[in-house]
Amino acid sequence: AQSVTQLDSQVPVFEEAPVELRCNYSSSVSVYLFWYVQYPNQGLQLLLKYLSGSTLVKGINGFEAEFNKSQTSFHLRKPSVHISDTAEYFCAVSEAGGTSYGKLTFGQGTILTVHP
Amino acid sequence: KAGVTQTPRYLIKTRGQQVTLSCSPISGHRSVSWYQQTPGQGLQFLFEYFSETQRNKGNFPGRFSGRQFSNSRSEMNVSTLELGDSALYLCASSQTGGPDIQYFGAGTRLSVL
Repeated sequence: AQSVTQLDSQVPVFEEAPVELRCNYSSSVSVYLFWYVQYPNQGLQLLLKYLSGSTLVKGINGFEAEFNKSQTSFHLRKPSVHISDTAEYFCAVSEAGGTSYGKLTFGQGTILTVHP
Repeated sequence: KAGVTQTPRYLIKTRGQQVTLSCSPISGHRSVSWYQQTPGQGLQFLFEYFSETQRNKGNFPGRFSGRQFSNSRSEMNVSTLELGDSALYLCASSQTGGPDIQYFGAGTRLSVL
């Protein structure tokens, strides 16, 4: 069974500083990787995805992530954050294969707080 | 295109009651997944439906059930509610349920008293 570990539960950062949110996964088969963001009292919004191809993926709002198969990581980065980036971020994994229909396995989330 | 719509947004029930939550997927999406989100357990997969068939199920007791209609709308039901069922229930839709982007609704917040 797959699992996802988000290494930081909270990340405080100042506005315009760079940020990295770390995600490691464990799986015995090929995986697809996602980052979602959740604002208070809302559902999840997709930031970016890795399905295949280039290991560096770019998403919305200036975020990007790099898939590292050897280190089983999928860290999320942004070179300069804004106050509006304050939210909770979730890393998620979907396994290839028919037994994983519709199932995302999520990490525990990282609360990003951007200070002025 | 309209997004994923979940109704109601908020519910208050008492222990022992049952509850039904509704989810309307994005037009053209045939796969609907349900998740439970709690502060302690995080986001956990409940089940997935595709073309009215449950194809995948998470590790939840039988009190949690669901169904999908021919128009892809889905409902989930929780019977004999327990205090621990208090959570945000999220529905997500995708075109196939395979390696696909899931689009989430705003959720239904259930409080069990």
